[in-house]
Amino acid sequence: DAKTTQPPSMDCAEGRAANLPCNHSTISGNEYVYWYRQIHSQGPQYIIHGLKNNETNEMASLIITEDRKSSTLILPHATLRDTAVYYCIVSQTNAGKSTFGDGTTLTVKP
Amino acid sequence: GAVVSQHPSWVICKSGTSVKIECRSLDFQATTMFWYRQFPKQSLMLMATSNEGSKATYEQGVEKDKFLINHASLTLSTLTVTSAHPEDSSFYICSALLRGGLALSSYNEQFFGPGTRLTVL
Repeated sequence: DAKTTQPPSMDCAEGRAANLPCNHSTISGNEYVYWYRQIHSQGPQYIIHGLKNNETNEMASLIITEDRKSSTLILPHATLRDTAVYYCIVSQTNAGKSTFGDGTTLTVKP
Repeated sequence: GAVVSQHPSWVICKSGTSVKIECRSLDFQATTMFWYRQFPKQSLMLMATSNEGSKATYEQGVEKDKFLINHASLTLSTLTVTSAHPEDSSFYICSALLRGGLALSSYNEQFFGPGTRLTVL
């Protein structure tokens, strides 16, 4: 699986959009970009995934650059409950298993 | 959605004893499950892939004789930490693979359990 690089930490004001970047410059053509988050002492929670098109669901939006070497997860209106470690992972869909990097610790402040 | 449970949610045991952790897919069948370990302030580390009806595949550096994995049914995988020592204290997380995902697509979705906190005294 391709390696990802994320900033170790970010802060965001409550109610504002949180934009979390991820670099995956060695991604291959059949690898998807997945985002998970982990709230303290819980299992990871799936957020969103994409291949090359931008994606949006009820939780977030995923913007993937045209060359697919980087992506951004957008939480449109961050709340205090969005404080968590966010992991960007690239993986072949059929493989299933995920290699987690260090992630970004997002702290939403009032 | 698809739910994965783990039991127990936390366990404390004495050094030298064995501990079994269960991972269940509650509303779907999972031929493949994964076991991860997470130390404090670190990321998740994949330990092994558990396949129903066959031997588990362990990642490099994980002792298969110490971490016994059994996937005897399509909804249950167990991880047994044998002769546990304090350095085995960690947060153990399982995940289950739903082939085709919730939308029955070509995409496989992975659902994680809530984790089990193991403390070895």
